[in-house]
Amino acid sequence: DGGITQSPKYLFRKEGQNVTLSCEQNLNHDAMYWYRQDPGQGLRLIYYSQIVNDFQKGDIAEGYSVSREKKESFPLTVTSAQKNPTAFYLCASSNKGRTNYGYTFGSGTRLTVV
Amino acid sequence: AQKVTQAQTEISVVEKEDVTLDCVYETRDTTYYLFWYKQPPSGELVFLIRRNSFDEQNEISGRYSWNFQKSTSSFNFTITASQVVDSAVYFCALGFSNTGKLIFGQGTTLQVKP
Repeated sequence: DGGITQSPKYLFRKEGQNVTLSCEQNLNHDAMYWYRQDPGQGLRLIYYSQIVNDFQKGDIAEGYSVSREKKESFPLTVTSAQKNPTAFYLCASSNKGRTNYGYTFGSGTRLTVV
Repeated sequence: AQKVTQAQTEISVVEKEDVTLDCVYETRDTTYYLFWYKQPPSGELVFLIRRNSFDEQNEISGRYSWNFQKSTSSFNFTITASQVVDSAVYFCALGFSNTGKLIFGQGTTLQVKP
């Protein structure tokens, strides 16, 4: 079955460490996205990529970095510069288009700073 | 400005009651998409519906129905005869096919009591 796989499901990070969240899709979607969700808030866009080897900052990119070396993969690194990284992170992909706008989400990674 | 507002933070109903979740959006674009997602406690976003800006027909799917009114920039979601399994956080989102980005509302937590 096609879908998006995020790993790990739970991640604990010590202050000052960088961590990388994995996101893989086998839907052949061109575009991929990372969203952050905090309790009681909606999802906010961190980074997105519409094509391999290209990506753009979203609304809250500071303290995060991404790469898009393969169509299937869009890993997110939470760096030590991110002051409040504890949150729920969701990866998504889409086959954007005027007549067929499909959008699929992964099951999320819950990151906790200890 | 592009924005989605879900004014109801939390709603609590008793099983079998009807409930309407409100969504108001802002955009100057003439082509856009509107979505509703359900987020159960597991965290994954479950797609419920997508409408494009050129289709104002209301839609019914089982106990779910959606009312799209461009005149008031609203895309409200009604659950008829609510059930305990409907308890979740519901998100309304605004999307654009040129970027593929989604802009989310803050979410409405629905609690259906037996």
